[in-house]
Amino acid sequence: EDQVTQSPEALRLQEGESSSLNCSYTVSGLRGLFWYRQDPGKGPEFLFTLYSAGEEKEKERLKATLTKKESFLHITAPKPEDSATYLCALTDSWGKLQFGAGTQVVVTP
Amino acid sequence: DTGVSQDPRHKITKRGQNVTFRCDPISEHNRLYWYRQTLGQGPEFLTYFQNEAQLEKSRLLSDRFSAERPKGSFSTLEIQRTEQGDSAMYLCASSKISSYQASPNVLTFGAGSRLTVL
Repeated sequence: EDQVTQSPEALRLQEGESSSLNCSYTVSGLRGLFWYRQDPGKGPEFLFTLYSAGEEKEKERLKATLTKKESFLHITAPKPEDSATYLCALTDSWGKLQFGAGTQVVVTP
Repeated sequence: DTGVSQDPRHKITKRGQNVTFRCDPISEHNRLYWYRQTLGQGPEFLTYFQNEAQLEKSRLLSDRFSAERPKGSFSTLEIQRTEQGDSAMYLCASSKISSYQASPNVLTFGAGSRLTVL
């Protein structure tokens, strides 16, 4: 059975303090790993899709990387507006997403 | 396009009552998904449609839950005889998928409908 585990559950950062979020996964055949951002009271918002080990994607202060067992979301010099819950998810052959529990990130000025 | 719309945004009901949520997907999207999210957890898959056909239902979806997507446009999710354990955020998402699609099946989510069962 496919599994997605995110760590840490919560992360508190000072503005400018870079850090990484982890998403460990087990899957019989990777069809895609997604990262979403979710603000309180809103639905998840798409960030990245990664398909194969070694792949990297960047967007502003965020960089996602992928190995055969885990994905990392690196936040470089975060700002308070980067505060959110970051979710990773596996996709199956039918396009359904299986989400992890998320990492809640709080960036303080 | 205004994205995925969900209505109502908040619903408070008493145990045993029926509730219905509506989702209007992005107009050209042929896939529509329902997810449920409780506090501190990621969204859990409930069911999805391709056009008007319901292709899969999760084991989480008990007999009290029913979803429809008439004419392949908007969708409704009905919960009958609500229980306190049904309290959650119900998220709808849509995507456009085809046999020839090379780009990822990116789901666009609505803001959700929050259900509180007293």
